Amino acid sequence: AQKITQTQPGMFVQEKEAVTLDCTYDTSDQSYGLFWYKQPSSGEMIFLIYQGSYDEQNATEGRYSLNFQKARKSANLVISASQLGDSAMYFCAMREAQRRANSKLTFGKGITLSVRP
Amino acid sequence: DTEVTQTPKHLVMGMTNKKSLKCEQHMGHRAMYWYKQKAKKPPELMFVYSYEKLSINESVPSRFSPECPNSSLLNLHLHALQPEDSALYLCASSQDPGHRTDTQYFGPGTRLTVL
Repeated sequence: AQKITQTQPGMFVQEKEAVTLDCTYDTSDQSYGLFWYKQPSSGEMIFLIYQGSYDEQNATEGRYSLNFQKARKSANLVISASQLGDSAMYFCAMREAQRRANSKLTFGKGITLSVRP
Repeated sequence: DTEVTQTPKHLVMGMTNKKSLKCEQHMGHRAMYWYKQKAKKPPELMFVYSYEKLSINESVPSRFSPECPNSSLLNLHLHALQPEDSALYLCASSQDPGHRTDTQYFGPGTRLTVL
């Protein structure tokens, strides 16, 4: 069963506008972590933001914020004031079951974001 | 500093060659990872080393052989690869694989082409 769902095939946003990238997840664990990574065409996976399942407040990191709705099992990434350099593929990922030596991330399929000047 | 370095950036090899990919981190992280990523797809986990011991092998073919000489270094030895093994190989590290907030930081990757 797919655990991380990113259904938007491609997103376009005008420079300086905000954009929301959707992510829904499925887990029966109470303790889990949600992550967003950015991957430009150069290939490097860049960590953007983390949200823990027990965190009461939505995570924020500069222009990135996470709209965490636990009951709906969604963890959408909001990028404010888009820049041309934000054009990239974005992956949502989840880690379940905090067992030692088992730190596997489950990735979604990714969303391509293109920022228009 | 959250830098993970990988060498080489690009590698072209024949099916009979033996080559190695190298990954290094100096953040004191205790876990290191190898991922394989095909174009437009998410990364696929291959191996995890936790405290310098192999903790996860995702049923990877034996033509890929990982090695963790010390806590800062991770190698991936390649032998008799197939053209379908051509991909971006990403290395990652994390501070504490058992901690709730453990975050993986990735290197820039090695683009491998098998002829």
